[in-house]
Amino acid sequence: GQNIDQPTEMTATEGAIVQINCTYQTSGFNGLFWYQQHAGEAPTFLSYNVLDGLEEKGRFSSFLSRSKGYSYLLLKELQMKDSASYLCAVSRQAGGSYIPTFGRGTSLIVHP
Amino acid sequence: ETGVTQTPRHLVMGMTNKKSLKCEQHLGHNAMYWYKQSAKKPLELMFVYNFKEQTENNSVPSRFSPECPNSSHLFLHLHTLQPEDSALYLCASSHPLGQERSYEQYFGPGTRLTVT
Repeated sequence: GQNIDQPTEMTATEGAIVQINCTYQTSGFNGLFWYQQHAGEAPTFLSYNVLDGLEEKGRFSSFLSRSKGYSYLLLKELQMKDSASYLCAVSRQAGGSYIPTFGRGTSLIVHP
Repeated sequence: ETGVTQTPRHLVMGMTNKKSLKCEQHLGHNAMYWYKQSAKKPLELMFVYNFKEQTENNSVPSRFSPECPNSSHLFLHLHTLQPEDSALYLCASSHPLGQERSYEQYFGPGTRLTVT
């Protein structure tokens, strides 16, 4: 089975840096996703980590440690529009697709 | 606009009704997915189709019946639903394994379903 744990809610100040952690226990691991979901909207893809280490993409970076079952999403220079839910998901491969299992999501509130 | 559309956007149905949700993607993908998103619960995968063939059924009750007539269209047929089936139903698509960025799923805006 899959067990994914991430904080329910976080708050941060505009312009600051925030780190959203995700820990997982899983059978059959292929990689780890991060998605962003604004209220009332569809999730949008942020990152996919397969190997250990840090992947940087603009203001967002994602880190993975497979041995520790741990990932984080780092958001720099926070903007008000970054207020959203951030979904961590572990992936396995089956039937010709990547099959994600999602955590409950972390609701990030950015205030002025 | 992600290239994945869903209709209707909102649906209210009684427990004895039959309705269908529609998803269409214009991205040239061959894998399509149905998800259920309930309040306070994780996004939950329901079904996966690859090249029109169902490859994953995540123990979904038979009152939900998917259909994939071609790689661009996906339906979810609903009948005799329960109030606890009220949720946001999201469709997604991706390239199949082996193609570039096949790990990236594109989601539609969802259908907000209320069962009364």
